[in-house]
Amino acid sequence: AQSVAQPEDQVNVAEGNPLTVKCTYSVSGNPYLFWYVQYPNRGLQFLLKYITGDNLVKGSYGFEAEFNKSQTSFHLKKPSALVSDSALYFCAVSDQTGANNLFFGTGTRLTVIP
Amino acid sequence: KAGVTQTPRYLIKTRGQQVTLSCSPISGHRSVSWYQQTPGQGLQFLFEYFSETQRNKGNFPGRFSGRQFSNSRSEMNVSTLELGDSALYLCASSLNLPGQGSYGYTFGSGTRLTVV
Repeated sequence: AQSVAQPEDQVNVAEGNPLTVKCTYSVSGNPYLFWYVQYPNRGLQFLLKYITGDNLVKGSYGFEAEFNKSQTSFHLKKPSALVSDSALYFCAVSDQTGANNLFFGTGTRLTVIP
Repeated sequence: KAGVTQTPRYLIKTRGQQVTLSCSPISGHRSVSWYQQTPGQGLQFLFEYFSETQRNKGNFPGRFSGRQFSNSRSEMNVSTLELGDSALYLCASSLNLPGQGSYGYTFGSGTRLTVV
């Protein structure tokens, strides 16, 4: 069965510092991996995805994520955090066996401190 | 290009009533999925439709149902509402063909359902 773990409920980082939001996953077979961001009272906005190919994936708003198969991780990173990055971040996984549903982590609230 | 449109944005219903939520996917997207988001349970998959057929279903009671029309618009229905059904209901559309989940999903802004 598929599952996603986001071990940190809350991440605080100073503006201008690098940020990392952690995600590990479990799937049978090869994964499709996604990061979404959610602002208050809004839906989910797509940031980036890993399907295949390069392990370093670049996405929207300067975010990137590194797929590590041996550690089954897909951590989200940004070199320099902005106050406007403060939001709720979700990691999600789907497998390649046929089902199209996403399994989400519990979310990590990122707060960027001015 | 219009995004995923969900209506209504907000709903207040009384326990025991039923409710219907609507989702219009991005033009050309034939796959529509529904998710429930609550503070306690997080984001949980409800069901997925492709070409008017339910292809996959999450672990929710039979009170939760859905359908998809020939134009790919989808509705979900919840009957005999319970207080615990209060949630943000999110719809996502995708170009994904069955068994090919590589295109990703675009989410709507959701319908906030409050059951009193």
